[in-house]
Amino acid sequence: EPEVTQTPSHQVTQMGQEVILRCVPISNHLYFYWYRQILGQKVEFLVSFYNNEISEKSEIFDDQFSVERPDGSNFTLKIRSTKLEDSAMYFCASSDHRNEQFFGPGTRLTVL
Amino acid sequence: QKEVEQNSGPLSVPEGAIASLNCTYSDRGSQSFFWYRQYSGKSPELIMSIYSNGDKEDGRFTAQLNKASQYVSLLIRDSQPSDSATYLCAPNQAGTALIFGKGTTLSVSS
Repeated sequence: EPEVTQTPSHQVTQMGQEVILRCVPISNHLYFYWYRQILGQKVEFLVSFYNNEISEKSEIFDDQFSVERPDGSNFTLKIRSTKLEDSAMYFCASSDHRNEQFFGPGTRLTVL
Repeated sequence: QKEVEQNSGPLSVPEGAIASLNCTYSDRGSQSFFWYRQYSGKSPELIMSIYSNGDKEDGRFTAQLNKASQYVSLLIRDSQPSDSATYLCAPNQAGTALIFGKGTTLSVSS
């Protein structure tokens, strides 16, 4: 069964450093998303991506964040200068036209 | 502001009982309704989708939708300890982000 994959599973970084989180969406899906979940809190939407451009973003997705689909399979989230409050689980999701979004296993980001 | 309201629980049921999870939402434009299950430390897993008013059954799960009341529910029959998780309701308009509530934590005791 096709699934969304994410790497790395855990990333530890120092405050102020740049991190890139990687995702491989399900191959025939056209819509891609990033969500995050701070420990003990609800899942929050960050950004959606369709047809090689951002289609929607939340207030959380400020200038420190960027997304890219560098090739036909990968979808990345970059955080330019990490803050302590960026520590969270980051989930990638993808969907087809029916918008049933399937989530990857997540990357746990720890900012020290 | 789109809002999703769920009782946070914990909802405790004995093994074999029916668990009933409820959700109300504010966005009348929602066309699709999803239920996700999230085990502690894991990602949300899609377990049910419902698009029209009425009931939809899939194995031990039944989703019920009432758009006029802006209400969607999930029934889990013959609850098992492995059903213990947080259940997230997500009303949605096609092509847009999922807006999650805090979810309902279900605990099934054996």
